[in-house]
Amino acid sequence: LAKTTQPISMDSYEGQEVNITCSHNNIATNDYITWYQQFPSQGPRFIIQGYKTKVTNEVASLFIPADRKSSTLSLPRVSLSDTAVYYCLVGVGANNLFFGTGTRLTVIP
Amino acid sequence: SAVISQKPSRDICQRGTSLTIQCQVDSQVTMMFWYRQQPGQSLTLIATANQGSEATYESGFVIDKFPISRPNLTFSTLTVSNMSPEDSSIYLCSVWGRGFQETQYFGPGTRLLVL
Repeated sequence: LAKTTQPISMDSYEGQEVNITCSHNNIATNDYITWYQQFPSQGPRFIIQGYKTKVTNEVASLFIPADRKSSTLSLPRVSLSDTAVYYCLVGVGANNLFFGTGTRLTVIP
Repeated sequence: SAVISQKPSRDICQRGTSLTIQCQVDSQVTMMFWYRQQPGQSLTLIATANQGSEATYESGFVIDKFPISRPNLTFSTLTVSNMSPEDSSIYLCSVWGRGFQETQYFGPGTRLLVL
């Protein structure tokens, strides 16, 4: 079971780019890297998923180095509404089920 | 994506009673899961709800305490039995599969307070 390590918390000012790094040294060959966002009193929401290199969607970018032992979620120009907990998971298909501690991002006006 | 609803959205229960939480999906899904999220904590997987057979429980969770049903591909229930204040948590269902990308989709959660 691949384990992930993230910073417990981060603060950022509005309008800044935020990068949250996740370590997953034991990632398996077939594992994907998936990031979720969770607001208070809501279920986690899928943000982005990748296998290698870089993935970008309308919400975020995901950078994965060649060794895949870490990944970085990049949120461009954060706003107050991006204040949430961000979780990194590694796994494949229905084995991508185990949440780590997550990173609590606080965006400051 | 999938639209997932849970009932009830919240409840306050007395110690020793049981509560059944329902999870309904708007389309057929391959797999359904139940999680618990204690206050201020991350999510912990309780079990995988298997259609037509007994659920698969994670370490630390047992069927007598958390019986689960999954009668079809769009519905599942989780019962929290003989509740104590330590069971106060948010309970979330999630789904995976059947045309979705390789990720889960979560319901809104059921907030349970046991007095």
